[in-house]
Amino acid sequence: GENVEQHPSTLSVQEGDSAVIKCTYSDSASNYFPWYKQELGKRPQLIIDIRSNVGEKKDQRIAVTLNKTAKHFSLHITETQPEDSAVYFCAASKGNTPLVFGKGTRLSVIA
Amino acid sequence: DAGITQSPRHKVTETGTPVTLRCHQTENHRYMYWYRQDPGHGLRLIHYSYGVKDTDKGEVSDGYSVSRSKTEDFLLTLESATSSQTSVYFCAARGGLENTGELFFGEGSRLTVL
Repeated sequence: GENVEQHPSTLSVQEGDSAVIKCTYSDSASNYFPWYKQELGKRPQLIIDIRSNVGEKKDQRIAVTLNKTAKHFSLHITETQPEDSAVYFCAASKGNTPLVFGKGTRLSVIA
Repeated sequence: DAGITQSPRHKVTETGTPVTLRCHQTENHRYMYWYRQDPGHGLRLIHYSYGVKDTDKGEVSDGYSVSRSKTEDFLLTLESATSSQTSVYFCAARGGLENTGELFFGEGSRLTVL
């Protein structure tokens, strides 16, 4: 089955700097790659997703890139703010199969 | 909140007792899932459902069973709780009317097994 690896497990950045989180997946048939943000004590919520027919997608300060050949995808957050501090999860799936999640990255933005 | 509610939100129980967690959704999602979240392990799939009375096992299904007798409700049962099942349990759903692929989560249920 699918296996998703996520790095780093923790990341600290200064406010205003950029943050990058990387994930690799094992199943070349996977075609849907979402990113979820989970604030302390809250439920995970989708922040951006990308499908296999697209190489990059942007939404204001966040962007996701996908390299199908290398089977990896990355989340980029620019101009980080304290409210970006949270745990971020990547995931992968194909069709309607269940999402398989990475183990998460705890991002701390230091003011 | 995408119309997904879980109950109970918090439960403390003793080893060996049965526990049932309930997930209720109001958006007619076809697919429903139970994940558990533990430090260092992220979100791991326990069981999922792809329709009424259609369920399948996930990565960490041992010690858990599920039932889905109607579209709105997905129950997770621990027949005899163990301390290793202390965790935060999230119900999730997708495949509603818009079917964007987005997975919506409930608020989570924190279970402590003493």
